Amino acid sequence: GAGVSQTPSNKVTEKGKYVELRCDPISGHTALYWYRQSLGQGPEFLIYFQGTGAADDSGLPNDRFFAVRPEGSVSTLKIQRTERGDSAVYLCASSSGTGGALEGNTIYFGEGSWLTVV
Amino acid sequence: SQQGEEDPQALSIQEGENATMNCSYKTSINNLQWYRQNSGRGLVHLILIRSNEREKHSGRLRVTLDTSKKSSSLLITASRAADTASYFCATAPYSGGGADGLTFGKGTHLIIQP
Repeated sequence: GAGVSQTPSNKVTEKGKYVELRCDPISGHTALYWYRQSLGQGPEFLIYFQGTGAADDSGLPNDRFFAVRPEGSVSTLKIQRTERGDSAVYLCASSSGTGGALEGNTIYFGEGSWLTVV
Repeated sequence: SQQGEEDPQALSIQEGENATMNCSYKTSINNLQWYRQNSGRGLVHLILIRSNEREKHSGRLRVTLDTSKKSSSLLITASRAADTASYFCATAPYSGGGADGLTFGKGTHLIIQP
């Protein structure tokens, strides 16, 4: 597609439920990132994929969070046993190149998935 | 955790004036990037400056970087109402120094009064 596409755009779920958020990066981009942004804060890094593999998952807050990218394109962020503190906008981004943030390639962000846990 | 701190947190100016936002960071960096975010939308990359550069221009944007003070500034000249948005600085660490992702500050909310 023309840009990074994220679905759903909005998700309201009950505490304790399981949630999946999907990201479709720009075609041909090998690098894919997930960030989380709470109200009034800047985005916080969660995980970085290069191709199919998670090159850096140091930002995942705990083992309730998991992400996959099985074919090196679409990625799914999975959150188990959701908590109210998980409420945030989950942003996906992609770029060309293989060097992550160091390489300085332009990173293109999606519009985000707004998750509300009630 | 967030490395960058933007200053001011909020800025309101008249259309046509220049807007200056500052960013301070804590650890050594490979590059520093500025992003814009309109309310409820995704981030848009504006400009990147590498640690060996001191100043960079792109259209009405001017970015400076002072690695000795661990600070950067973003200047928007001849501001327009459409520049109203939140502006974030984001840093990329040296290789091996941390996550492969960017570390963002909390942002400056800029309002341009018509």
